[in-house]
Amino acid sequence: DTGVSQDPRHKITKRGQNVTFRCDPISEHNRLYWYRQTLGQGPEFLTYFQNEAQLEKSRLLSDRFSAERPKGSFSTLEIQRTEQGDSAMYLCASSPGQATYGYTFGSGTRLTVV
Amino acid sequence: AQKVTQAQTEISVVEKEDVTLDCVYETRDTTYYLFWYKQPPSGELVFLIRRNSFDEQNEISGRYSWNFQKSTSSFNFTITASQVVDSAVYFCALSGPPGGGATNKLIFGTGTLLAVQP
Repeated sequence: DTGVSQDPRHKITKRGQNVTFRCDPISEHNRLYWYRQTLGQGPEFLTYFQNEAQLEKSRLLSDRFSAERPKGSFSTLEIQRTEQGDSAMYLCASSPGQATYGYTFGSGTRLTVV
Repeated sequence: AQKVTQAQTEISVVEKEDVTLDCVYETRDTTYYLFWYKQPPSGELVFLIRRNSFDEQNEISGRYSWNFQKSTSSFNFTITASQVVDSAVYFCALSGPPGGGATNKLIFGTGTLLAVQP
């Protein structure tokens, strides 16, 4: 296993369209996190899964955002009716247990809403 | 509330200079973890170090060293003899105590852009 994979690397979409991103964590990691990073800022927490259960969602995650991890393996993050303010880098990370052991981050998906 | 402050937005040095990146944190937890990550232009966050709140020993790894001082709530990062390949954005991050079903999400600072000129 070579690390956390995210697909696609880049996505350009028109305002109002729906987009879906995929994250494949390291296989033995049961914790999965989504973060959003805007230009000039540090990553901000969006949501967290332990196995297939979504255990925490940030207030940043509006109703237009939904995340799933159906079998406790890969995860998807969907944004409906995209807005220009959604333009950002979406980062996925996984951890073998408590995050204090350190996350492994993917390369991210850069979303541009035009 | 937890907070991480990286007051240095950008630093530019010439190759072989030493450079220190500052990190100040706030937390009410007595047990916590501090991290440094490197983000090169490719975008991936690369883990550099994790330090728990009970371990104040400074650490050195090659050209990298970290100075953790609880008294000043600081966890500074020094690169000795900087190289062009060190050019990146560096993030300091904080996580709460393990256990109890806590999410243990990372709280990041805003990052410091380090530019090492040849």
